[in-house]
Amino acid sequence: GAVVSQHPSWVICKSGTSVKIECRSLDFQATTMFWYRQFPKQSLMLMATSNEGSKATYEQGVEKDKFLINHASLTLSTLTVTSAHPEDSSFYICSARDRGSRFGGANTGELFFGEGSRLTVL
Amino acid sequence: GEDVEQSLFLSVREGDSSVINCTYTDSSSTYLYWYKQEPGAGLQLLTYIFSNMDMKQDQRLTVLLNKKDKHLSLRIADTQTGDSAIYFCAERNQGGKLIFGQGTELSVKP
Repeated sequence: GAVVSQHPSWVICKSGTSVKIECRSLDFQATTMFWYRQFPKQSLMLMATSNEGSKATYEQGVEKDKFLINHASLTLSTLTVTSAHPEDSSFYICSARDRGSRFGGANTGELFFGEGSRLTVL
Repeated sequence: GEDVEQSLFLSVREGDSSVINCTYTDSSSTYLYWYKQEPGAGLQLLTYIFSNMDMKQDQRLTVLLNKKDKHLSLRIADTQTGDSAIYFCAERNQGGKLIFGQGTELSVKP
């Protein structure tokens, strides 16, 4: 099946520093990737939709200047948490839609998820 | 607005069947999905159902969809300890985004 890889799996940083998380689709091309944030024992909150070659679309309430998203190629999107603070500590998960995914001729819009990246800001 | 609701916990004994329920509000959903998340990991797609289907079976998994009541369920037959995880249902809205429920934590006791 399709594989999405995130790196790093976990990162600890000091308050005020910036952290970059990478999301790669390993065996398929993804024109669209999604970034989610998950708090302990809670659901996934969609932060933004990353579109290859264009600006990301952010959900309401998500700070664009805080969470910088770059989707430079069909297999890579990056999320940079700028000037991180302890409240940014969370589990960040990306997903990618295989633009070629077909089941019986219909595109199910199946999303493949990365393993997640746990950010801890001290 | 769009909302997906699930019960938070379910505990079953090994070998029993598990039924995880989900309700949603968006009647225009095209696809509905079930994902599994193990501790500290991403989400794994278990199965999906198209909105014009009532039922889908895939080995130990059975998905039932009642579109009139906007109710989705996932039945796991012969539940094993390895099935312990958090299960998320999600609907795909017309914009192509997935709206997730809060997740149901399934605990399987030997």
